[in-house]
Amino acid sequence: DIQMTQSSSYLSVSLGGRVTITCKASDHINNWLAWYQQKPGNAPRLLISGATSLETGVPSRFSGSGSGKDYTLSITSLQTEDVATYYCQQYWSTPYTFGGGTKLEIK
Amino acid sequence: QIQLVQSGPELKKPGETVKISCKASGYTFTNYGMNWVKQAPGKGLKWMGWINTYTGEPTYADDFKGRFAFSLETSASTAYLQINNLKNEDTATYFCARSEGPLMDYWGQGTSVTVSS
Repeated sequence: DIQMTQSSSYLSVSLGGRVTITCKASDHINNWLAWYQQKPGNAPRLLISGATSLETGVPSRFSGSGSGKDYTLSITSLQTEDVATYYCQQYWSTPYTFGGGTKLEIK
Repeated sequence: QIQLVQSGPELKKPGETVKISCKASGYTFTNYGMNWVKQAPGKGLKWMGWINTYTGEPTYADDFKGRFAFSLETSASTAYLQINNLKNEDTATYFCARSEGPLMDYWGQGTSVTVSS
């Protein structure tokens, strides 16, 4: 199974600031990488697929990058509505696996 | 608009069976796969497997082979997750999620299952 590791389980960032969330796969996943946002009590919401493609309706302050085993989700100009837990997920091979999540809070 | 609406919360005793439904609307049901994802209280997401809604063939992740069953009622655009012989560790929120290829793009709101004697 491919293990997905998000190095930070918790981040505290100032309003209007920039945050970068990292995700490392245990094997190459050829950019088959998704990022999800989950707010308390809600279902995950797909933000980015294919490592870099922003889903329709997702604000442009979100962006994804990376290749091979290493991927990042960046959020610029942090807003209060961005408070959530963010998960990366590989869908290159089954079982599809998620990172442990990064909980983002406003400082 | 695309919607996945799941059935309500369940409170069960160990050893009982639960069947959760996920009703899809806003798209052609058999054109997309349906996945199931487990989230234990305060924990992360775990993919349980998926069902091919065109053929009805299920695929289970290793940790979910045996007591878990995916099924369909295609005429009602509904997918089901059944868990037999419930254990305390099955206490979780279960999500259905539509997939185009392997990518899960739309999710249900989740169904809470509590197993307690």
